[in-house]
Amino acid sequence: EIQLQESGPGLVKPSQSLSLTCSVTGYTITSGYDWSWIRKFPGNKMEWMGYISYSGSTNYNPSLKSRISITRDTSKNQFFLQLNSVTTEDTATYYCARGDFWGPGTMVTVSS
Amino acid sequence: DVVLTQTPVSLLISLGGQASISCRSSQSLVHSNGNTYLHWYLQKPGQSPQLLIYQVSNRFSGIPDRFSGSGSGTDFTLKISRVEPEDLGVYYCLQRTHNPNTFGAGTKLELK
Repeated sequence: EIQLQESGPGLVKPSQSLSLTCSVTGYTITSGYDWSWIRKFPGNKMEWMGYISYSGSTNYNPSLKSRISITRDTSKNQFFLQLNSVTTEDTATYYCARGDFWGPGTMVTVSS
Repeated sequence: DVVLTQTPVSLLISLGGQASISCRSSQSLVHSNGNTYLHWYLQKPGQSPQLLIYQVSNRFSGIPDRFSGSGSGTDFTLKISRVEPEDLGVYYCLQRTHNPNTFGAGTKLELK
């Protein structure tokens, strides 16, 4: 069965970059599907951030377009999120997902 | 961006009762290919969201037939019959027809 697992720092300082890794097991990310990053803010609001497709093309939420980059390492079956110039408003739980399966999420706090 | 308006914000249901959640879109969710990419998720406490229904009315693998989705165009409904304790949590609709993908604000299902 497919499993996704997020990893990365839980605390990031304002103005720095947030970098997260999604490790996928049970399915090869080049075989199909879009591979997304989604975040949930304190409260219930969910935001789709963007995805990298199985072919390597990317699609980003325009609200983040100048700050976000999603890349991958096919040899490790991982994909990555980088979000630049973070502020306290980027504090959220970050999920990687295939759509039908999600990772457990990782909480990231932006604070000095 | 497409706005998904979910109602109600919260639901108090007795065990064995029926729940109905509405998701109304600010524009049609029919894709140019004819498909409608409106999905329903449940986030149980302490867990990541799980897919319940995809493309309006298709139950995902392992989802009991107590869950049903319906609707078309801009108006969609999730019904849960014979509510069980494991159904509690926050329900979200998600549209993937238009970019950026957007979520409803969530409906919290609690026991009466």
